[in-house]
Amino acid sequence: EPEVTQTPSHQVTQMGQEVILRCVPISNHLYFYWYRQILGQKVEFLVSFYNNEISEKSEIFDDQFSVERPDGSNFTLKIRSTKLEDSAMYFCASRGGGLEKLFFGSGTQLSVL
Amino acid sequence: DQQVKQNSPSLSVQEGRISILNCDYTNSMFDYFLWYKKYPAEGPTFLISISSIKDKNEDGRFTVFLNKSAKHLSLHIVPSQPGDSAVYFCAAFNQAGTALIFGKGTTLSVSS
Repeated sequence: EPEVTQTPSHQVTQMGQEVILRCVPISNHLYFYWYRQILGQKVEFLVSFYNNEISEKSEIFDDQFSVERPDGSNFTLKIRSTKLEDSAMYFCASRGGGLEKLFFGSGTQLSVL
Repeated sequence: DQQVKQNSPSLSVQEGRISILNCDYTNSMFDYFLWYKKYPAEGPTFLISISSIKDKNEDGRFTVFLNKSAKHLSLHIVPSQPGDSAVYFCAAFNQAGTALIFGKGTTLSVSS
């Protein structure tokens, strides 16, 4: 079965540093998402992206966050100046054209020290 | 505010018995619901979905029931197996279809 691929699997950074989390969605998918899960808590929606623009973003997705699809295959999440509370597992997801299930990657564990 | 609620943080059942996981939602405009299963340090994996035009959908051991008037859905697993032990998330697409909103999850433990 096709997969959503995320790199790196773990990222450790110092508070205030910029991080870029990378994702390769399933190749013929059109809708792309980022979610995060703080340890033991719910899976929280951050942002959705379609046709090269943001479709929806949550209140978590403030000016410190940005997303980009720099080429035909990658989808990135940038955090400009990381805070301690950004420590979480970040999941990328994608889906095809209809209202259907999201396929999730295995996540990037971000630790901000 | 929570639009998708899973009020039971955990559930323990014996192997072979039925597991019933419950989910409530607040927005009557939601019309497509999904259940995901998640193991630690892995991404959520899709299990089963249901559209609001149906009240039941079945896939092998998994059945999802939807009661629109009560804004309630449930996932039945019969028979439960130890490999089913995981966190189960109920999720709903928002009205615009631009976000999939998750509940807090229920941790299912199936003992042999």
